[in-house]
Amino acid sequence: KAGVTQTPRYLIKTRGQQVTLSCSPISGHRSVSWYQQTPGQGLQFLFEYFSETQRNKGNFPGRFSGRQFSNSRSEMNVSTLELGDSALYLCASSRGDSADYNSPLHFGNGTRLTVT
Amino acid sequence: GDSVTQMEGPVTLSEEAFLTINCTYTATGYPSLFWYVQYPGEGLQLLLKATKADDKGSNKGFEATYRKETTSFHLEKGSVQVSDSAVYFCALSKAAGNKLTFGGGTRVLVKP
Repeated sequence: KAGVTQTPRYLIKTRGQQVTLSCSPISGHRSVSWYQQTPGQGLQFLFEYFSETQRNKGNFPGRFSGRQFSNSRSEMNVSTLELGDSALYLCASSRGDSADYNSPLHFGNGTRLTVT
Repeated sequence: GDSVTQMEGPVTLSEEAFLTINCTYTATGYPSLFWYVQYPGEGLQLLLKATKADDKGSNKGFEATYRKETTSFHLEKGSVQVSDSAVYFCALSKAAGNKLTFGGGTRVLVKP
């Protein structure tokens, strides 16, 4: 069974640009969530999508957005990039059953974004 | 809001030594608790979990017990190997939506 796939693995962008990151979940998983990992702030929850709807959202500015497609694949977009957006962005998938918040998350290897 | 605090690293050990990583949490209600591990260049993997007070999670020789009275979930392993070198994250979850609150992570380095 293929794991969570994130593309690309590395990105270098310039301040002010925008970027789109992609995540393909494990087959059968309907929930995709995104996390930002930085040395200073650690791992922070961005948002979660389930059946194409945003179900939960963290405390990030509106420049961070996402969407989920009917095949459960998800994209995350960051507009007007700032230097502080440099981070490892991790995607995680799970079955997403609303009654089971204990089902484990399966993480991808991440996309490392560098903003110069 | 909810928070997780874990001991800062790095923790450097010799092979076969005993490992403890402290984790305490602040949360209302009854969270589920998790330990995730991140090996170099990889994403996070679930190591173990506990969903209610006094539950013990275990996997690959690692154990952690959910202690509600001390709001703790300390990770232990009796005899570490070089392959256990990684960053360990304690986390909690309270509701559907896969919103995990993570601790800052503890880097563990095991030397032969």
